[in-house]
Amino acid sequence: DGGITQSPKYLFRKEGQNVTLSCEQNLNHDAMYWYRQDPGQGLRLIYYSQIVNDFQKGDIAEGYSVSREKKESFPLTVTSAQKNPTAFYLCASSPWTGRNNSPLHFGNGTRLTVT
Amino acid sequence: AQKITQTQPGMFVQEKEAVTLDCTYDTSDPSYGLFWYKQPSSGEMIFLIYQGSYDQQNATEGRYSLNFQKARKSANLVISASQLGDSAMYFCAMREGDAGGTSYGKLTFGQGTILTVHP
Repeated sequence: DGGITQSPKYLFRKEGQNVTLSCEQNLNHDAMYWYRQDPGQGLRLIYYSQIVNDFQKGDIAEGYSVSREKKESFPLTVTSAQKNPTAFYLCASSPWTGRNNSPLHFGNGTRLTVT
Repeated sequence: AQKITQTQPGMFVQEKEAVTLDCTYDTSDPSYGLFWYKQPSSGEMIFLIYQGSYDQQNATEGRYSLNFQKARKSANLVISASQLGDSAMYFCAMREGDAGGTSYGKLTFGQGTILTVHP
């Protein structure tokens, strides 16, 4: 079945360490996105990418980095510069249909805890 | 300014009753799309329904319908015949501009409404 795989589901790190969250999709979607969700809050956009080797900063990109070397993969690195990294991270993808009605398809998320 | 506003942090409904979840939006773009997602306690995001700014009729998908009032910039989700499994967080989201534009298809989300269905 096609879908988006995020791994791991739970991740624990010590403060000051960089950590990379994995996101892989086999939907052949062009665009991919990373969102952050804090408890009881909405989703905020971190980074997004429309094509390979191209990505754009979202609303809260500081302290994060991404790469898009393959169409299927869009890993997110949470660096030690991120002041409050503990959160639920959601990866999403979307086909490039030229129409406005394509929903984002989401992975099941990674819950990151930094102590 | 908030682009998507969901004013109801929490809502309660009796099983089999209908419930309306509010969403207002702010954009100057004539072309936009509005989406509703459901997030159960497991954390997954489930797409429910879509309404385009040029759509003449309100969107419907099974028990979900969208009360789209363009002049008031509101896109309220109506869930009919609520079920216990409808208990979840619900998010309204907007995509601005044409799909081929510089928005890259990104969605802006509201803060969400937690819906609790009582038996």
